[in-house]
Amino acid sequence: ELKVEQNPLFLSMQEGKNYTIYCNYSTTSDRLYWYRQDPGKSLESLFVLLSNGAVKQEGRLMASLDTKARLSTLHITAAVHDLSATYFCAVDGGWTSYGKLTFGQGTILTVHP
Amino acid sequence: EPEVTQTPSHQVTQMGQEVILRCVPISNHLYFYWYRQILGQKVEFLVSFYNNEISEKSEIFDDQFSVERPDGSNFTLKIRSTKLEDSAMYFCASSEGRGESNQPQHFGDGTRLSIL
Repeated sequence: ELKVEQNPLFLSMQEGKNYTIYCNYSTTSDRLYWYRQDPGKSLESLFVLLSNGAVKQEGRLMASLDTKARLSTLHITAAVHDLSATYFCAVDGGWTSYGKLTFGQGTILTVHP
Repeated sequence: EPEVTQTPSHQVTQMGQEVILRCVPISNHLYFYWYRQILGQKVEFLVSFYNNEISEKSEIFDDQFSVERPDGSNFTLKIRSTKLEDSAMYFCASSEGRGESNQPQHFGDGTRLSIL
């Protein structure tokens, strides 16, 4: 059974600081997604990572995937208040379960002035 | 931008009653999914659906649950006899392809189901 672990689960940052959220998963997969969720809202797709070594950047967020280490990172650069949200990584089930996403627990990010 | 729409946004139902949650996926998408999120917990996969049949379902998706695509646009989740533990936010999602595609699953705003 695929397990996905995120850390930290809670992250309180000051504006302007950098930090990284980690997503570890337990079985082979080369497809990983990052989503953002605002309170009471839906899941907004941030990044699709489809191969080992994939790196994607959008604004102050950068995501990477290391399939050999079964690790993805979401790096936040110079945080701003608007980035406050819950961030989920989700791993695709792969050739046995394409399209079945297993989510991490989520990281609640709060950015303070 | 096309989006997945779900109705109702909030459903309150007595325990033991049947409930139907409705979703309109993005029009050119071929794969459909239901997930749920119990308050404060992570998002859990329920079922995937393609070509008018279930592709995969989780342990949560027992005999009380069913899905249907009654016409060309709607995708529904039915819970036959609701239990208190069914209270959760239910998300519908759709995608053009499955994991082999570079497109993500697009999620609706969810239906908050409250069982009394």
